[in-house]
Amino acid sequence: GENVEQHPSTLSVQEGDSAVIKCTYSDSASNYFPWYKQELGKRPQLIIDIRSNVGEKKDQRIAVTLNKTAKHFSLHITETQPEDSAVYFCAARSSNDYKLSFGAGTTVTVRA
Amino acid sequence: NAGVTQTPKFRVLKTGQSMTLLCAQDMNHEYMYWYRQDPGMGLRLIHYSVGEGTTAKGEVPDGYNVSRLKKQNFLLGLESAAPSQTSVYFCASSWDTAKAQHFGDGTRLSIL
Repeated sequence: GENVEQHPSTLSVQEGDSAVIKCTYSDSASNYFPWYKQELGKRPQLIIDIRSNVGEKKDQRIAVTLNKTAKHFSLHITETQPEDSAVYFCAARSSNDYKLSFGAGTTVTVRA
Repeated sequence: NAGVTQTPKFRVLKTGQSMTLLCAQDMNHEYMYWYRQDPGMGLRLIHYSVGEGTTAKGEVPDGYNVSRLKKQNFLLGLESAAPSQTSVYFCASSWDTAKAQHFGDGTRLSIL
């Protein structure tokens, strides 16, 4: 089955700086890569996703890039704000499967 | 619309007791999932369903059973609770496996 690794496990950035989280996946048949944000005590919520036929996708201050050859994808948050402090999870879904495989999560702390 | 509703929100059980967690969604989604979330381990899939009357094992199914008798409901059962099952349980549903999963607020379960 699919195996997703996520790095780093914790990330502390100064407000206004950028944050980058990287994930690798094992199944070359994976074709859907979502990112979820979970604030403390809340439910995970989708913030952005990308499909294998696209190399990059942006939505305001967040962007995701995908490198199919290297089997890794990354989340980029620019101009970080205190409300960006949360746990972020990457995930991957194989075209042969019905379910997502999640990374272990990255705790992002934005320092004022 | 309520989205995904989980019942109960909190529960404390003694070892060996049984209980059922209820997940209800009002979005007419085909796919439903049960996850457990433990510190540092991300979201691990317990069981999932691809439609009414179907269930399948996920990554960590041992000690749990599920049923999907109605499309809108997905029940997670613990027949004989163990301390290792202390966790936060999330239910999710989606219209398609390559679309956003919508999560409930979670059930915090403690087994003494």
